[in-house]
Amino acid sequence: DVKVTQSSRYLVKRTGEKVFLECVQDMDHENMFWYRQDPGLGLRLIYFSYDVKMKEKGDIPEGYSVSREKKERFSLILESASTNQTSMYLCASSSSWRELFFGEGSRLTVL
Amino acid sequence: GENVEQHPSTLSVQEGDSAVIKCTYSDSASNYFPWYKQELGKRPQLIIDIRSNVGEKKDQRIAVTLNKTAKHFSLHITETQPEDSAVYFCAASNTGTASKLTFGTGTRLQVTL
Repeated sequence: DVKVTQSSRYLVKRTGEKVFLECVQDMDHENMFWYRQDPGLGLRLIYFSYDVKMKEKGDIPEGYSVSREKKERFSLILESASTNQTSMYLCASSSSWRELFFGEGSRLTVL
Repeated sequence: GENVEQHPSTLSVQEGDSAVIKCTYSDSASNYFPWYKQELGKRPQLIIDIRSNVGEKKDQRIAVTLNKTAKHFSLHITETQPEDSAVYFCAASNTGTASKLTFGTGTRLQVTL
């Protein structure tokens, strides 16, 4: 079974803090993604990566950056967290570009 | 960019009835349309997908239809069961792959006994 693991299920941070969300997959997938899930808005793509050190912006990259130093790990960084970044963050990976395998999600609250 | 609208936002059906969820997309170049199911507290999982060279695809009780002219696609679930209760998301991509999916806003399906 594909396993996509997000390091933190729940985080509470203060406005202005730097936040790291980590994601690790164990299936040697080339492609990794970060989505944000909000009620009534569905899933929105923040960034994706199709290779180590490669990244592309999704639909809502503002306020976020990513890092992919190793194939199995894709990190989402909030340089200065704001309250409007309170959300559920979902990491996903894929090999065939067909099916996305999602992690359990990281629920971030910014106070 | 692509815009995907999904209706209805909530749907309640009795066990055994059929459920239909509809999505429209704006980018005529879109060519890949997956559907994901997210049970309460769990991760989204792919249940079925269709490409633009196919008009319909079935997998047991689930089917998806695509009308390229009208730019809409639908999920049909027949003989619904309580375990079908979940949030369903449609999505569209113009890359033929899941690389840049635009998701709909989701439909919460409740199957009642």
